[in-house]
Amino acid sequence: KQEVTQIPAALSVPEGENLVLNCSFTDSAIYNLQWFRQDPGKGLTSLLLIQSSQREQTSGRLNASLDKSSGRSTLYIAASQPGDSATYLCAVRGRNSGGSNYKLTFGKGTLLTVNP
Amino acid sequence: DVKVTQSSRYLVKRTGEKVFLECVQDMDHENMFWYRQDPGLGLRLIYFSYDVKMKEKGDIPEGYSVSREKKERFSLILESASTNQTSMYLCASSNGGAQLLPEAFFGQGTRLTVV
Repeated sequence: KQEVTQIPAALSVPEGENLVLNCSFTDSAIYNLQWFRQDPGKGLTSLLLIQSSQREQTSGRLNASLDKSSGRSTLYIAASQPGDSATYLCAVRGRNSGGSNYKLTFGKGTLLTVNP
Repeated sequence: DVKVTQSSRYLVKRTGEKVFLECVQDMDHENMFWYRQDPGLGLRLIYFSYDVKMKEKGDIPEGYSVSREKKERFSLILESASTNQTSMYLCASSNGGAQLLPEAFFGQGTRLTVV
């Protein structure tokens, strides 16, 4: 059974710092990995999607890397801003045992606080 | 932009009531999912559907059922609500197909309180 772990559970940094969030997964047979952002009491917003054949994806100040063989992904946030404060979740998509369906398994998230 | 819309942001229901949570997506996605999110437990999959009238149990289906009569709509049903079903419920959709590597999109969530 796939398990996804995110470290640290919480992180507090001053504005302007570069930071890295970590995600690890136990079963390397994944199709893709997705990073989400969640603001308090809200739904999830997709940030980046990395296919299993890719090593990284970039969007603005965000860069996500994937090392499938070691079961690790990182989300790098450059020049952090107070508006980046949120919970960041990673999720991996593996093959459902029933066939061609795709199931996301989530980590518990990292709560990021960027202080002005 | 893909839009996944959940019918209610907040709901308060009484123990024993039958509760319907509705989710609609506008991108003709094959796959739809219902998760619940609880502090310390993260997101857990309740049910998912990969086609109209098709459904599969997720990790925690007990106490829930689902309905997918139309491709765009996926309903989560609490047959007899209990206090331990108080939670944030999140609906998601994604494109399907064995050769596609779909990205998932989420609704804004429904905060359900059972009293």
